[in-house]
Order: sequence, then C-alpha cells, then structure tokens
Amino acid sequence: QVQLVQSGSDVKKPGASVKVSCKASGYTFTNYAIHWVRQAPGQGLEWIGWINAGTGDRQYSQTFHGRVTLNTNTSATTAYMYLSSLTSEDTAVYYCARNPPGSTWADYWGHGTLVTVSS
Amino acid sequence: QSALTQPASVSGSPGQSITISCTGTSSDVGGYNYVSWYQQHPGKAPKLMIYEVSNRPSGVSNRFSGSKSGNTASLTISRLQAEDEADYYCTSKTISATPYVFGTGTTVTVL
Repeated sequence: QVQLVQSGSDVKKPGASVKVSCKASGYTFTNYAIHWVRQAPGQGLEWIGWINAGTGDRQYSQTFHGRVTLNTNTSATTAYMYLSSLTSEDTAVYYCARNPPGSTWADYWGHGTLVTVSS
Repeated sequence: QSALTQPASVSGSPGQSITISCTGTSSDVGGYNYVSWYQQHPGKAPKLMIYEVSNRPSGVSNRFSGSKSGNTASLTISRLQAEDEADYYCTSKTISATPYVFGTGTTVTVL
C-alpha cells in the first residue's frame, strides 16, 4: 500500500534551517510528484511547493521568497524539504503528499512533521 | 496570490444537506477545472474528497459532490452524518507565479 512516512518533530532556533524528509513506498516513486503543504497551529493549509520526482522539475510558492528548496533522492525514494532563515512564523506541521501524474491533486498524504521554532 | 474565500463555518443537522462555497477569481477557480476539496479531522492529515471540480476518488462516499459556477466552486454534503464534522479546504490551480492556492477553510459542525 502507498505510504509516505515523514521524519520526526524538530525544534529549531530562529535563523536556523530545517530539513524534513518524506519516505515513499508502495508505488513507483519517479512516476509521481510530491507536494509540500504546511499548517500553522490553529490555521489553514498553505501550499509550499512541489517537485516532480521523475524529472526534478519543481515550483515554489512566492510566499517563501527563496527560503525553501525541494529535493528528492530517487534511490532512497525520499523527498526532502529544506527551509532556511526560520522565524516563529514557520512553526507548523509540514505535510508531504503524492500528486498523480497529469493531475493537480494530492491523493496520499504523510502524517505530518511538527517543526517548532523557538529561542 | 491570495487564499480562496470560504465561509468560516457551516452547520447542519444529521440527514440535512449543506453546501460550502469557495470563491476565487478568473485567475484561479474560474480559469481552470482544477478545483479539489480536502477533509481534515483534528490532528489528522487532509483527505482528498473531490478532484477536478466534481470527481470523487474511489472510496469517498457519494454523499459528497462538487460543482463550479464562474469563479465559485461548491462542495455539497448530503445526508449529513456525525463523522462529516471536520474542516474542509478547497484548492485550485492558479495562473500566478504561485501555481496552487488553498481556501481559507470551513469548519463543518453537525448539530
């Protein structure tokens, strides 16, 4: 069965960077794209970006002003999200989600990774 | 790119039907048939309920249906059940530099 298993919770200080991983299994990793979405405490969903695991093509939300980088390791069937220059406003649960080819929706989601930014 | 506009809350009694709206512009909802809807229970990951405006993924109850008119998409839940109590988010492809945008979210309460 399709599974997206994310890395565990993390606590970072302001100004630091964080890496969240998303290990995929149960399907051909390179046939799909991976979305990244975050949700601040008590707030709505916010789209971060996506990466085509087969081609490496990626797009980002302009909201992050170049602070976010998405990568994949196809041999490890794992996607990564790097977010730099963290502030308290980046405290959120970060989700990865699978995007079927030729589509715009996310059919399977990871369980989420809580990133807390605090001094 | 601004978030799509949804009502903050919608409520209904068991067995009733409710509709959640998702209002955007001609640059997103109105310009593409790429509106999706997600259900999120507290502490859980979102779940896809509707894709491409009105299509239901396998396993999603036929009590959920989607539609679109102009710049507004809608999610209708028929025969409301207690388990439908959750947050619902729409999303759409956009023409802007940020290619996808979520709605503000709607909390559905079953009275």
